Amino acid sequence: GAGVSQTPSNKVTEKGKYVELRCDPISGHTALYWYRQSLGQGPEFLIYFQGTGAADDSGLPNDRFFAVRPEGSVSTLKIQRTERGDSAVYLCASSRTSGYTDTQYFGPGTRLTVL
Amino acid sequence: AQSVSQHNHHVILSEAASLELGCNYSYGGTVNLFWYVQYPGQHLQLLLKYFSGDPLVKGIKGFEAEFIKSKFSFNLRKPSVQWSDTAEYFCAVNAPGGYQKVTFGTGTKLQVIP
Repeated sequence: GAGVSQTPSNKVTEKGKYVELRCDPISGHTALYWYRQSLGQGPEFLIYFQGTGAADDSGLPNDRFFAVRPEGSVSTLKIQRTERGDSAVYLCASSRTSGYTDTQYFGPGTRLTVL
Repeated sequence: AQSVSQHNHHVILSEAASLELGCNYSYGGTVNLFWYVQYPGQHLQLLLKYFSGDPLVKGIKGFEAEFIKSKFSFNLRKPSVQWSDTAEYFCAVNAPGGYQKVTFGTGTKLQVIP
């Protein structure tokens, strides 16, 4: 079956602009995670959804970052007033349930470049 | 808070050499441990995981890892690497009892020379 998909694969924007990054999880997966991977680093947790609600957004770096999952499937990560330091690969993952034994399946990521 | 350190950033091996990638974590309680792999141009994928039981865990493609609680370590091993093992490897940890808020290490790039 289809895996996790993310669009766009690449996004170049100018400092101060607004961007939206989309994640389509595996069908039927209730848990969805966003991570950010900066150059030379491992993925860093941003936010976790169980169904439609953000169960933990403690990893969002500041209030310029916001994510939604209105129908419990597709999720959008929104970044306002982008800064050069936001440049990174944004990864999405989903798992069948939120249980800690369930495997997370990752998407290909969106490479965001802020000029 | 939990943290993970991977000792080697870049490892170069010849085919058939043995591999051991170090991973140490920092967390006072019970943990779940993972190794993820990212092959060139591909998604991050799970290689193996440890939750409980036998501390020697076997994963895909001949990889294994040993959880040594006293050393807070979860090193990845493979007796004989192949060129196709060229990839970046990430060790990760999360505390059980809830969802998977996974903390990743910085990764080790493995290059296998034919």
